Amino acid sequence: DQQVKQNSPSLSVQEGRISILNCDYTNSMFDYFLWYKKYPAEGPTFLISISSIKDKNEDGRFTVFLNKSAKHLSLHIVPSQPGDSAVYFCAASREGASGSRLTFGEGTQLTVNP
Amino acid sequence: DAGVIQSPRHEVTEMGQEVTLRCKPISGHNSLFWYRQTMMRGLELLIYFNNNVPIDDSGMPEDRFSAKMPNASFSTLKIQPSEPRDSAVYFCASGKRNPGEQYFGPGTRLTVT
Repeated sequence: DQQVKQNSPSLSVQEGRISILNCDYTNSMFDYFLWYKKYPAEGPTFLISISSIKDKNEDGRFTVFLNKSAKHLSLHIVPSQPGDSAVYFCAASREGASGSRLTFGEGTQLTVNP
Repeated sequence: DAGVIQSPRHEVTEMGQEVTLRCKPISGHNSLFWYRQTMMRGLELLIYFNNNVPIDDSGMPEDRFSAKMPNASFSTLKIQPSEPRDSAVYFCASGKRNPGEQYFGPGTRLTVT
């Protein structure tokens, strides 16, 4: 059962334009959501997160939107830069008594063309 | 801080051999996670520890896989005997209990021939 899904395996955008990466989840118990970025031959690095009590979180060029009713979140990157080309993973967390674990989506390969 | 340290970075071994992957988490982090990334299954959690205690090992594929965390600064993931289908990149990550951010190591690329 894939509880976190990224339906687009790849996305290509022009430099300077907006990149929108999407993620859907099925488990309504998830209460914290994160985006990670991964370059080849490196581990994923944390990018931005959002708590389920919010619907938007912004950090520089990166904004994450959460629509709880639709169980959907998205990552907006504007303006996109060639250095943003990477695989982006969406992840969800459900805090439990024994600590939190992340459930990851499949990832979306973003390519920003100069 | 040096970040999460994993060794070796690359491992090539023959089927049937024992493989041990090592991880040093970030100091002060009390959660440690082992992941496996493959083309077919993406990034999947194998096992995680809180305060050196295994909490959830439901992702460990079978008895050939075992993980230990003898102290707060060291963990191992062992595969014995290894099989070609174990070929993947294995990541270790550490984090604090809340909120849920995890910091990943560079990974170990395992190839079993």
